[in-house]
Amino acid sequence: RKEVEQDPGPFNVPEGATVAFNCTYSNSASQSFFWYRQDCRKEPKLLMSVYSSGNEDGRFTAQLNRASQYISLLIRDSKLSDSATYLCVVNYKARNSGNTPLVFGKGTRLSVIA
Amino acid sequence: DTAVSQTPKYLVTQMGNDKSIKCEQNLGHDTMYWYKQDSKKFLKIMFSYNNKELIINETVPNRFSPKSPDKAHLNLHINSLELGDSAVYFCASSQDRAGGLYNEQFFGPGTRLTVL
Repeated sequence: RKEVEQDPGPFNVPEGATVAFNCTYSNSASQSFFWYRQDCRKEPKLLMSVYSSGNEDGRFTAQLNRASQYISLLIRDSKLSDSATYLCVVNYKARNSGNTPLVFGKGTRLSVIA
Repeated sequence: DTAVSQTPKYLVTQMGNDKSIKCEQNLGHDTMYWYKQDSKKFLKIMFSYNNKELIINETVPNRFSPKSPDKAHLNLHINSLELGDSAVYFCASSQDRAGGLYNEQFFGPGTRLTVL
């Protein structure tokens, strides 16, 4: 089972639509969870952290389900500028050290169409 | 003003050559990273340095050698370049918290390496 798994998409949605992305992770000891956004030919940028209680930032809502090892991102009222790849990111215990590198999913591509 | 900068932005070179990519961050962070993003867009960590000390070295060929002269710089030297090294290499930095928890990572703009 892959460490962080996402539906690659693409998701093609009209402006104003609500779209949800899902992500599953394999390491039950993971502690930190994030959604990053990557525009075409650009670097990834943090969209939002994901907290156990769920959190919202404007049109974006993130949820974490530790029991199912599942993270979601909901985007309401999609804008053209939301078109990007959304990366699910989880920390993962390194094999030979106490440090915990981040593991990135392959990303889900979103295209918002006028 | 650039928080994390990398040079060069593009690098085209022949197989067998040795090349370096430089990274600098002006955020005062104590941890820096190198990531590789291949043609399938999979972003994978290569190295992590904390206060100039190597703390993560994932399964990367030893042709790749990171060097951190100070905590604001983390350079990547690649020997004997191979076709499979073609990818985008991202540098990143963060100010990490105790207990292995992570704060936001700030990425550089990437270096697009093409090996011919």
